[in-house]
Formats: sequence, C-alpha cells, structure tokens
Amino acid sequence: KAGVTQTPRYLIKTRGQQVTLSCSPISGHRSVSWYQQTPGQGLQFLFEYFSETQRNKGNFPGRFSGRQFSNSRSEMNVSTLELGDSALYLCASSLEREEAFFGQGTRLTVV
Amino acid sequence: GENVEQHPSTLSVQEGDSAVIKCTYSDSASNYFPWYKQELGKRPQLIIDIRSNVGEKKDQRIAVTLNKTAKHFSLHITETQPEDSAVYFCAASKGLTGGGNKLTFGTGTQLKVEL
Repeated sequence: KAGVTQTPRYLIKTRGQQVTLSCSPISGHRSVSWYQQTPGQGLQFLFEYFSETQRNKGNFPGRFSGRQFSNSRSEMNVSTLELGDSALYLCASSLEREEAFFGQGTRLTVV
Repeated sequence: GENVEQHPSTLSVQEGDSAVIKCTYSDSASNYFPWYKQELGKRPQLIIDIRSNVGEKKDQRIAVTLNKTAKHFSLHITETQPEDSAVYFCAASKGLTGGGNKLTFGTGTQLKVEL
C-alpha cells in the first residue's frame, strides 16, 4: 500500500511569490491535514479537508489556503510569501478520524 | 483552544535503561492521544496511540498511560536501544467525537540513547 506522497520535496521561492504544494493521501483515506513544522514553533496545524470540505482550520493568515479534490488529493497554496514561511510543510492522511500518517514533507525556503 | 505541554525537551539515557516522556493537555474534550517519532530528516511516524476510554496501552517495548482526571499522558520506552534516538512528539485531538483530525502537538523531546 503506497504511503502519503508529497510533491515537490524541495522548493526555493522569492518573497512575494506564491507556491502550491501537493499531497496524495493513502488510497481510501478521505481526510487530509496540513501542518507547518519549524524549529521555533514546532508542528502547527494549518487545516484539514474531508470529502472536499474544510473541516478544521488553524490560526494562520488568509495567505494560507487549501483545497481537496474528488480523488482526495489535496493542494495547499501560500500567496505573497514571507521569509517566515520557510518551513517543512507536512500533510497527513487519515481514513476518517485518528491514526494520521504523514508524508515526507515539502521543504520550502523563501529568500 | 487546546494546549499541549511536553517534558523534558531533551532526554539522555544509557542503552538498556527506560525513558519516560510526559505531556499534559488543557482541553478536557480531547479524547485521542497519539505519539510520533521523528528521526532526523524524516517524516513523523505514529508509534502508539491511546483513546480516552483506556488507561494504558502497550506495544512491545513501548507503553502509553493516560490520566484523564489530571489531563496527563506519558510515553514509556523500556530497554532503550540506539535506534530509539529521535525526537518524540505527543499530540491530542477530539477526533473521536467529531472534532476531526486536528492534532495539537507538544514541543517535542529529543531522546538520545547512549552506548
């Protein structure tokens, strides 16, 4: 059974640009959550999508948005990038509730 | 919202010794408590979890205990091995009662197992 796949693995962007990250969950999983991991703030919840609907949202500015497609794949978009957005972005998939399995992450560097 | 505190931030033990990591949570409605292990440069991996209707759960050398009254839960690793060296995160969610899969994480514990 394939695990959670995130693309790309690494990204370098310039301040002010926007970026889109992709996450393909484990087959059959309908919930996809996104987290930001930084040395200073640890793992912070961004949002969760379930059956194409946003089910939960963390405390991040509106520049961070996401969506989920009918095949459960999810994308996360960050607009007007800031230096502080540099982080490891992780997605996690779950069948419905509990037992979240993480992808390898996308390492975003904003210069 | 939920707040999870984790202690200690670093833990160094000798191979074969036990390691204990403790977490407290603030929201009494939280009912699902997973633990993740993250090795350097790798993804967090679920190693064990416990639900609010259970007080203790074991899986080989790993055990987790939950005290709902005190809002504490702990990870116990016995007979530690060098490959146990990693960062361990506790987390809490209200997933069992429709709260979705929003995990609130502790700040992590860097465990080092020395030979």
